[in-house]
Amino acid sequence: GEDVEQSLFLSVREGDSSVINCTYTDSSSTYLYWYKQEPGAGLQLLTYIFSNMDMKQDQRLTVLLNKKDKHLSLRIADTQTGDSAIYFCAERDTGGFKTIFGAGTRLFVKA
Amino acid sequence: EPEVTQTPSHQVTQMGQEVILRCVPISNHLYFYWYRQILGQKVEFLVSFYNNEISEKSEIFDDQFSVERPDGSNFTLKIRSTKLEDSAMYFCASSGGIGEKLFFGSGTQLSVL
Repeated sequence: GEDVEQSLFLSVREGDSSVINCTYTDSSSTYLYWYKQEPGAGLQLLTYIFSNMDMKQDQRLTVLLNKKDKHLSLRIADTQTGDSAIYFCAERDTGGFKTIFGAGTRLFVKA
Repeated sequence: EPEVTQTPSHQVTQMGQEVILRCVPISNHLYFYWYRQILGQKVEFLVSFYNNEISEKSEIFDDQFSVERPDGSNFTLKIRSTKLEDSAMYFCASSGGIGEKLFFGSGTQLSVL
């Protein structure tokens, strides 16, 4: 069945770039998402990419998609302490009702 | 920005008891979802609901679970006879269309003792 895997922890220094990686198994995935969860809050959609794209940039966020390897990454430039949160990779296919999530990567930003 | 609201934020119950988790989706959304996250594990899809019926459900969503949209605003998840392993954070979500982004509530932490 579909599966999404990501590393559980990442620690960076303030001002550095963070790169969070994710792999997925469903080759029919059409939408790939990055969600952010801050303590006590729900999942907030950060950015998404369609499977026919290789890259998407949105201010400090860059999403790279390698469809051949089924690998997705999220780069956060100039990481700030306010970026500390859990980041979830997720995918869904065309016409599918369900979104499949990874377990989330906890990002620690050290001042 | 419109938001999905969930109540209560925390629910403690005894094993075998029924619980109802409540959600108010965004008012003009048509698709509604429940997800759950057991501590330290993945966010898991439970069920999607559209046009007053279940459109898709996962293996987790067995006969102990049911969903309802009792009026024009609320969307509820009922667990008939809770088990210890039902302890999790339950997230409600809604979207305007099938391919559109999901808006999540802040979750209900369910603890079954």
